[in-house]
Amino acid sequence: NAGVTQTPKFRILKIGQSMTLQCTQDMNHNYMYWYRQDPGMGLKLIYYSVGAGITDKGEVPNGYNVSRSTTEDFPLRLELAAPSQTSVYFCASSYRSGGADTQYFGPGTRLTVL
Amino acid sequence: ILNVEQSPQSLHVQEGDSTNFTCSFPSSNFYALHWYRWETAKSPEALFVMTLNGDEKKKGRISATLNTKEGYSYLYIKGSQPEDSATYLCASLRGNQGGKLIFGQGTELSVKP
Repeated sequence: NAGVTQTPKFRILKIGQSMTLQCTQDMNHNYMYWYRQDPGMGLKLIYYSVGAGITDKGEVPNGYNVSRSTTEDFPLRLELAAPSQTSVYFCASSYRSGGADTQYFGPGTRLTVL
Repeated sequence: ILNVEQSPQSLHVQEGDSTNFTCSFPSSNFYALHWYRWETAKSPEALFVMTLNGDEKKKGRISATLNTKEGYSYLYIKGSQPEDSATYLCASLRGNQGGKLIFGQGTELSVKP
């Protein structure tokens, strides 16, 4: 089991560029999440999904889009990168009703927007 | 309170000291409280998920208690070791909102040999 994998590990973008952060899990988890972590702050939920074809907004969704076409994959799209999106992005997954189940996190993607 | 708050923000202890941190969360419509351990340059790892008032969980030298009526949880580390150095995050879930955890800002623990 690879668990939750994320690519790329690092990326530098110019303002206005677009990119997709990839996330894949091989644990057959229904729930998947995208978080961002800014210095001195906890994790902020961007988007989450309760199953293939179903996504919903978290606390900080502006500037991002997601899709969930399969159980395994949950990509995060940045359409017009802004310096405020410089952060470390974590993908996570959980099996059942996400509240009572622990979330398993990927290794993170460090994104810098210049 | 509406947010999840952790205290202290950082803690520096000597090897062998016992320590504890606090997580305060909204008590209304409580569903679950998570604790995660986050080492530098790694991803967060789950320690505990707690759902019942009065719950106590233990994993080795680490234990946690939960008071859902007053909205707080304590994490205890007995006999801290340098390998315990990490940021400890708590996260609250209200009303089983599809796993939408609200995280605190974390307590950064540094244990000196």
